[in-house]
Amino acid sequence: QSALTQPRSVSGSPGQSVTISCSGTGGDIGLYNYVSWYQQHPGKAPQLIIYDVFKRPSGVPDRFSGSKSGNTASLTISGLRAEDEADYFCCSYGGTYSLVFGGGTSLTVL
Amino acid sequence: QVQLVQSGPEVRKPGSSVKVSCKASGGSVSSYSVSWVRQAPGQGLEWMGAIIPKSGRANYAQKFRGRAAITADDSANTVYLSLTSLGSEDTAIYFCARSNGDYVGDINYCDSWGQGTQVSVSS
Repeated sequence: QSALTQPRSVSGSPGQSVTISCSGTGGDIGLYNYVSWYQQHPGKAPQLIIYDVFKRPSGVPDRFSGSKSGNTASLTISGLRAEDEADYFCCSYGGTYSLVFGGGTSLTVL
Repeated sequence: QVQLVQSGPEVRKPGSSVKVSCKASGGSVSSYSVSWVRQAPGQGLEWMGAIIPKSGRANYAQKFRGRAAITADDSANTVYLSLTSLGSEDTAIYFCARSNGDYVGDINYCDSWGQGTQVSVSS
């Protein structure tokens, strides 16, 4: 399983929206509706913010939304806030009890 | 909500082995899958493998087959990751994470994470 492809960095101003893409293949993102997204602040463990493509765990603001089209998934953060500055990782089920992560995207809030 | 607490930092020499533990509270490790994910310095997350509940069987990313072993001690409510033949490229933070889904044993996403264990490999 090769890692999913994410842009290395994105940026936006407070109040704006940003979208992070995650490109996979027909054997992971394209085949399963099990895409998840994680937020990681420096020195901390990752935190689940989106699962099953678009679902949000309890406590995650609705400013975070997920979607999928073909072999590509996307995370959109609207109404950017300073505390959203972090690294974001996508992940997909890869079949036969396996997961594959993306390389991560660093979000800068200008 | 389940909480996962991992063992402390480890320093090993090249060629040696390491065993990291992940103790659960607020839930039984026999009720859900647990994945191990590592993060090398300044790098992304890398899924290593997972143990499936009740069966006790583990599945590994191809890169780690034959070198990693994930086991569980239900009586201690703890999951372990063993990694052999360590090299400098294994220097990383190792996370355990509860993996969940629609059915028991699914590993569709990771919803609770341990705090991470730093493993450093150096001569």
